[in-house]
Amino acid sequence: TAGITQAPTSQILAAGRSMTLRCTQDMRHNAMYWYRQDLGLGLRLIHYSNTAGTTGKGEVPDGYSVSRANTDDFPLTLASAVPSQTSVYFCASSDEGGGGSSYNEQFFGPGTRLTVL
Amino acid sequence: GQNIDQPTEMTATEGAIVQINCTYQTSGFNGLFWYQQHAGEAPTFLSYNVLDGLEEKGRFSSFLSRSKGYSYLLLKELQMKDSASYLCAVLDSNYQLIWGAGTKLIIKP
Repeated sequence: TAGITQAPTSQILAAGRSMTLRCTQDMRHNAMYWYRQDLGLGLRLIHYSNTAGTTGKGEVPDGYSVSRANTDDFPLTLASAVPSQTSVYFCASSDEGGGGSSYNEQFFGPGTRLTVL
Repeated sequence: GQNIDQPTEMTATEGAIVQINCTYQTSGFNGLFWYQQHAGEAPTFLSYNVLDGLEEKGRFSSFLSRSKGYSYLLLKELQMKDSASYLCAVLDSNYQLIWGAGTKLIIKP
């Protein structure tokens, strides 16, 4: 199986432009997550979804939005990109999310390297 | 606030043993994870501890002391391919993963 795929692999974006980062998983996992990873910092959660139709805000949600129309897809949208959003973005999924799961190993996609100029 | 501390960088010799420490202060605790991340790649799962003690998995072992807010990852018989960053993460009371910044491990021949 493919696991989790992300697109694009990398992108250079002009400040003020919008962009959607795509994420698709084929493991039928309920929970999905978007992280950003910056040098010297740990992975920071942007948004998450515990199940299709629901989403929640993570640690750094400002400037980002997500939707979860079905189990497999979890796109992340930057409405008006700013240089501080230059980062590597990882999508992840797990079998369960929140509320009673004590072991939710997360599986990560290959990442999208985004540069905002 | 929530905090995960681990050394920024460590160097070890091929064939040797290295211990990577992680201390945490989080709102609640529902388990601790170790992930490996090679440069330019995604993190991959190594281990999970929720009870105190040592979990052994081949060349890698992970230890947890909940009373001390402390864990370590022990890597034995180091190989060059073990050069990577090792990420410590704690599942908090809301079942959200709180991540450390990672320890970059450099293996020298």
